[in-house]
Amino acid sequence: QVRLVQSGAEVKKPGASVKVSCKPSGYTFTGYYMYWVRQAPGQGLEWMGWINPKSGGTKYAQKFQGRVTMTRDTSISTVYMELSRLRSDDTAVYYCARDYMGFDYWGQGTLVTVSS
Amino acid sequence: SSELTQDPAVSVALGQTVRITCQGDSLRSYYASWYQQRPGQAPIVVIYSQNNRPSGTPDRFSASSSGNTASLTITGAQAEDEADYYCNSRDSGGNHLFGTGTKVTVL
Repeated sequence: QVRLVQSGAEVKKPGASVKVSCKPSGYTFTGYYMYWVRQAPGQGLEWMGWINPKSGGTKYAQKFQGRVTMTRDTSISTVYMELSRLRSDDTAVYYCARDYMGFDYWGQGTLVTVSS
Repeated sequence: SSELTQDPAVSVALGQTVRITCQGDSLRSYYASWYQQRPGQAPIVVIYSQNNRPSGTPDRFSASSSGNTASLTITGAQAEDEADYYCNSRDSGGNHLFGTGTKVTVL
């Protein structure tokens, strides 16, 4: 069955970077785009961007341009989302989600807390 | 504008019908999908590409669209339908958008 397993919770100081991983299983890694979505506490969903695991091509939401980098490692079938220059308002749960029939599978979420 | 607006909250009596709307200019050109999110859980897709139900979505969920408004209807709401619902679409620049979210309470 399809599963997306994300890395564990992180606590970071303002100005630092965080790198979240997402490892899918149960399907061909290069066959589907992977999206990243975040959700601040008590807030709605926010699209951050996507990566094409086959080509490595990416598209980022304008809000995160220059601060976010999405990469993949095909040798271990894992995608990554790195967010730099963290601020307190980056505190959120970060999700990866596969794009097929809508975002049909989601990771369990990774809580990133930014605090001094 | 690249925004999707939803009513913050709606309530429905058990077994009755509720409609959730999503408004935005991009909906004139692109289909909406709908996501259900229960507290503490990841979202799940209940409708994709305007009115397609994944195999696990009960048939009491349906969707439609007209002009700049997409709608999700729950016909015969059940207690387990109490959740937050988000619409999702894209704009002409290939950016994806989520709606502001609607909290559905089943009375």
